Amino acid sequence: GQQLNQSPQSMFIQEGEDVSMNCTSSSIFNTWLWYKQEPGEGPVLLIALYKAGELTSNGRLTAQFGITRKDSFLNISASIPSDVGIYFCAGDKTGTASKLTFGTGTRLQVTL
Amino acid sequence: GAGVSQSPSNKVTEKGKDVELRCDPISGHTALYWYRQSLGQGLEFLIYFQGNSAPDKSGLPSDRFSAERTGGSVSTLTIQRTQQEDSAVYLCASSYSPGGNYGYTFGSGTRLTVV
Repeated sequence: GQQLNQSPQSMFIQEGEDVSMNCTSSSIFNTWLWYKQEPGEGPVLLIALYKAGELTSNGRLTAQFGITRKDSFLNISASIPSDVGIYFCAGDKTGTASKLTFGTGTRLQVTL
Repeated sequence: GAGVSQSPSNKVTEKGKDVELRCDPISGHTALYWYRQSLGQGLEFLIYFQGNSAPDKSGLPSDRFSAERTGGSVSTLTIQRTQQEDSAVYLCASSYSPGGNYGYTFGSGTRLTVV
């Protein structure tokens, strides 16, 4: 099935640095979502974006819904060791959250 | 329970055997979803149940895959005549309802290995 193009695939950064990752699609989505997955666990929702152009923050996380509705980015400021994990974008076309299309993930490693 | 419970957490099976994966959603959640995550990949939608409505099976990869949800609660994903390409983590999620609520709660998954 379709997967969203997510970049970078992996990042190795030092504690305190800012991180940016993005997600693109060839088709339009009505909603963009960002999840974090830690080893052995299911993904956990970080931020949901509902309108083109919307910019939303959740603590040190900021995400934006692209104007074209075909892309989104996630920024993490002042990274800390517990930010380690795999970050996934996901899009919804149904408007009912019944079927999400996920990106391939960005693996984040934070060194002290 | 407090979260979505999946069992078993790990399953190793021989090629050609059938397997059943179980999901106990959060009590009161009417929507239930199954996704598959292959190694190093994102999640792939399999099937969605909402209340008493007919399930959306559009993500099931072949007719060897089936799922049911009994009494609007527990769900079982069955894979018949397993193949090596079925090896993946199978994740279940539930939510109060769709219609704009993206508050899925995922279980920890069942890691299936077909040898």
